[in-house]
Amino acid sequence: AQSVSQHNHHVILSEAASLELGCNYSYGGTVNLFWYVQYPGQHLQLLLKYFSGDPLVKGIKGFEAEFIKSKFSFNLRKPSVQWSDTAEYFCAVNDRYSGGGADGLTFGKGTHLIIQP
Amino acid sequence: KAGVTQTPRYLIKTRGQQVTLSCSPISGHRSVSWYQQTPGQGLQFLFEYFSETQRNKGNFPGRFSGRQFSNSRSEMNVSTLELGDSALYLCASSLPETDYEQYFGPGTRLTVT
Repeated sequence: AQSVSQHNHHVILSEAASLELGCNYSYGGTVNLFWYVQYPGQHLQLLLKYFSGDPLVKGIKGFEAEFIKSKFSFNLRKPSVQWSDTAEYFCAVNDRYSGGGADGLTFGKGTHLIIQP
Repeated sequence: KAGVTQTPRYLIKTRGQQVTLSCSPISGHRSVSWYQQTPGQGLQFLFEYFSETQRNKGNFPGRFSGRQFSNSRSEMNVSTLELGDSALYLCASSLPETDYEQYFGPGTRLTVT
């Protein structure tokens, strides 16, 4: 079964610092990749997604992620973080089986990001 | 457009009881998935329904079941509750043509005592 690893469970940064959160999945094939964010007291929101095409995808709030197929990675980046980026970030993968039909998302354990003013 | 709604938001049950949680997807979304979120295991896929049929199921015991109605609303049921079932249960919906782009509800916080 697919598994997702997020290397950093807790990250603390100062405002304006650059951010990179790592995400690796266990095996290849055709995959859909996602980053979700959960702000304090709010529900999971889709930050960005990769289905196919340009491996560098841009999402909301200045976030971007790069899909590197050879490394099974989909790292999240932001050049300059803000205090409002404090949240839990989840990487998720969906395997697109040739038989069709949706399967559930496999999530990483999440990264708790704290931005200090 | 209204988001995914889940009821109730909070629930306290006793071991051995059963519970039913409800999810109303975004209008036009026909696929509904359920996830369990716990501090130890994180987010885990329970099952997914499309057009009133269970299309996929995660690795959970048979005590966990669900169904979907013709209006795409979904319910999940947990029978014979155990302490370990205490969790946040999340529902997500998606359009048929973008099955994999899921939109999550706020969740139901279930506490089993």
